[in-house]
Amino acid sequence: GAGVSQSPSNKVTEKGKDVELRCDPISGHTALYWYRQSLGQGLEFLIYFQGNSAPDKSGLPSDRFSAERTGGSVSTLTIQRTQQEDSAVYLCASSLTVAGTYEQYFGPGTRLTVT
Amino acid sequence: ILNVEQSPQSLHVQEGDSTNFTCSFPSSNFYALHWYRWETAKSPEALFVMTLNGDEKKKGRISATLNTKEGYSYLYIKGSQPEDSATYLCAFRRGGADGLTFGKGTHLIIQP
Repeated sequence: GAGVSQSPSNKVTEKGKDVELRCDPISGHTALYWYRQSLGQGLEFLIYFQGNSAPDKSGLPSDRFSAERTGGSVSTLTIQRTQQEDSAVYLCASSLTVAGTYEQYFGPGTRLTVT
Repeated sequence: ILNVEQSPQSLHVQEGDSTNFTCSFPSSNFYALHWYRWETAKSPEALFVMTLNGDEKKKGRISATLNTKEGYSYLYIKGSQPEDSATYLCAFRRGGADGLTFGKGTHLIIQP
């Protein structure tokens, strides 16, 4: 079956512009996660959704970051007024549910470059 | 802040040799430990999810052990092959938590 897909695969934007990253999880997976990897760093957890609800937004790096998920499926991560430090690979993952010890299945990522 | 440490940071191994590397994590409030393999230009691929102290899991030539009391896990690769070249990530999930806290990975290069 289809895996997790993300778009765009690459995005180059100018500092100060807004960007929107999209994640389409595996069908039937109710949990969806956003992570990012900055250069030289490990994967950093940003936010998760169980259904359409994001109970904890404290992992988002600043208030310029927001995420939403509608219909329990597709999620978008929006970065407003992008800064150079936002340059990173943004990864989305999904799992059957957030409870339990289910594996997370990752998408291919969006590489964001802020110039 | 949760500390998940992986060592070594990188590793060069001759084809055919066996190797192992380490993930250390907080020993309190343990919930699960995940291992992933991340090849260049691909998505991270789940290898194991481990939950019980003393757990040992195996997939082909790759196996992993877990010690939750002392907070470490080992990943072993037997008879390394060039296709094993990748970054191996471990990720810790504490009880009641949401996402995973990842280590920075061990970058494994298998030399023919």
